[in-house]
Order: sequence, then structure tokens, then C-alpha cells
Amino acid sequence: EPEVTQTPSHQVTQMGQEVILRCVPISNHLYFYWYRQILGQKVEFLVSFYNNEISEKSEIFDDQFSVERPDGSNFTLKIRSTKLEDSAMYFCASARTGVGGNTIYFGEGSWLTVV
Amino acid sequence: GESAWLHLPTLSVQEGDNSIINCAYSNSASDYFIWYKQESGKGPQFIIDIRSNMDKRQGQRVTVLLNKTVKHLSLQIAATQPGDSAVYFCAERTNDYKLSFGAGTTVTVRA
Repeated sequence: EPEVTQTPSHQVTQMGQEVILRCVPISNHLYFYWYRQILGQKVEFLVSFYNNEISEKSEIFDDQFSVERPDGSNFTLKIRSTKLEDSAMYFCASARTGVGGNTIYFGEGSWLTVV
Repeated sequence: GESAWLHLPTLSVQEGDNSIINCAYSNSASDYFIWYKQESGKGPQFIIDIRSNMDKRQGQRVTVLLNKTVKHLSLQIAATQPGDSAVYFCAERTNDYKLSFGAGTTVTVRA
């Protein structure tokens, strides 16, 4: 079964540093997402990306965050000037069509620890 | 808008028994719901979905029930197995681009 792959699985970074989390969505999917989950809490929407642009973003997704699809296969989340409260599991997800038209598949996550 | 979700945070079930996990949602305009399973250290895994024009949908060993009158969503797992131990999230479609998750129910299967 095709899957969403994410790298790195775990990253430790110092406060103030920039991190890039990488994702390879399922190959024929057109909608891409980043969600995050703070330890013990629910999964929170960050951003969705369709047709090479952000289609929706949450209040969490401020100027500190950016997404990019640099080529035909990768989808990245950049977090600038990381803060302690950015420590969380970050999930990439993809779907062939919009929500409700097709299943959203999640990757295994990238665990970010900011120290 | 998005729902405010109500659910029980934990559920303990005997192996072999049926499990019922419940969610109550608040957004009466919600038209699509999904159940996800999350095992420790892993990403959410799709279990089953249901559209608002249905009240029941069955999968392999799982059934989702939707009661729009009382805004209640449930997931039934038949013959619960140790591998079913996980956190289960209900989620709703907010729009084409976004899912909104509930807080999750931790299911523990007793041997």
C-alpha cells in the first residue's frame, strides 16, 4: 500500500534555530497537509496546500512557518526561529482529492524537540 | 465552523468483547466524519468514514454510526483484540482543505 514518508523521524534543535521537515506524499495525490500534535493532545491542523499554493492555514501557522513543494515529489515544512512550544510531532498528510472526496493518509510523523 | 467535541478520554475493554467509542460533535453543518486510530509513536491511521446522508457504515470488524439528531458519532469494534489498543480520534470535515480532530479516546484491551 502506498504511504506518506517523512524525514527526519526525530530532530532535536536549539531554540532559535531553523528546521525543515520533509515529506514525500503519495505519488498521485494532489492535496497536501501539515498537522501537529503536542504530546498527549489532539491532532491540530496547520496548513493545506493545493495547486502549488496554500489553500488554508490555521492561526498556529504564522510567519514563523512556511511550506514548499520544491519539486514534483517533496513537500516541506520550514519552522524559523524555533521556540520551546514548537516541540511536537509534526504529521504530513496527502489526499488525491479534497476532504470528503477521498481518504487523507498520514505519515508516521517527525518528532521535533526544541531545547 | 468547527465542532467542539465531547468524548470519554479512556476506555478499558476485555479482549474478545465489543468496544464502543463515542464522540459528540456540535457543528450541525458537518457532512463528513472519519475515525482514525493512532498507535504510540505513529501517525493517525484511517479506519472508516461516513457521510451525513448515511447513519451506518460497516467495515472489517468496525461499524460507524451517525445520529445527526443528537449529533453523535460512534465507532464499534467487534471482538476487540490486543492490537486494537490505541488512541481513537473522531474527525470532521471542516471544508475541502481541512479536518478537525477531537481529543481522542485511549482504548486499553485487557487480556
